[in-house]
Amino acid sequence: QKEVEQNSGPLSVPEGAIASLNCTYSDRVSQSFFWYRQYSGKSPELIMSIYSNGDKEDGRFTAQLNKASQYVSLLIRDSQPSDSATYLCAVRTPGTYKYIFGTGTRLKVLA
Amino acid sequence: GAGVSQSPSNKVTEKGKDVELRCDPISGHTALYWYRQRLGQGLEFLIYFQGNSAPDKSGLPSDRFSAERTGESVSTLTIQRTQQEDSAVYLCASSLIKSGTRKKGETQYFGPGTRLLVL
Repeated sequence: QKEVEQNSGPLSVPEGAIASLNCTYSDRVSQSFFWYRQYSGKSPELIMSIYSNGDKEDGRFTAQLNKASQYVSLLIRDSQPSDSATYLCAVRTPGTYKYIFGTGTRLKVLA
Repeated sequence: GAGVSQSPSNKVTEKGKDVELRCDPISGHTALYWYRQRLGQGLEFLIYFQGNSAPDKSGLPSDRFSAERTGESVSTLTIQRTQQEDSAVYLCASSLIKSGTRKKGETQYFGPGTRLLVL
């Protein structure tokens, strides 16, 4: 089992819809979770971090964390074509500052 | 100030040659990370530095790979006797991690990467 797993996609959604991206992780004691966005040919950039169970909202983005089920998700409301990118989930290894990234989910927002 | 910079931006080399990749982190950032990203794949952790020490080298694929960092500044990733499977984008990131901090300090800022092609 991979440490951080994501569906590679592509996930296609129409413009204006909600895009839901999911990530599961294997280390039950993980505490720190991150979503990065990577446009094709570019470097990743942080969208959101989440540390506590529940939802965290930032503009059109909502991160959801469920530690009991070991998953973290990212919702993008009112999806725009400019949101088309690969979304990478990252989890910090407990007791370290080492981050494990998932393979990413490619999102395509159709105009 | 400037972001993370990496050089060279592109490197084409012949199998068996050594290459050196350079990363200049954001000034004041104590943590520095190296990742490898093969075409269409996710980020593969290689090594990270806290200051000039490397608490975790577990991601280095083989003993052909090594990295060093001078103080809380420049880092170099060296690949000896390159192989075709080393072809990838090598990404460097830095973050402001200090003992006892979290959240904002954990944001990793990535450089533009070095695209390595081994022929």
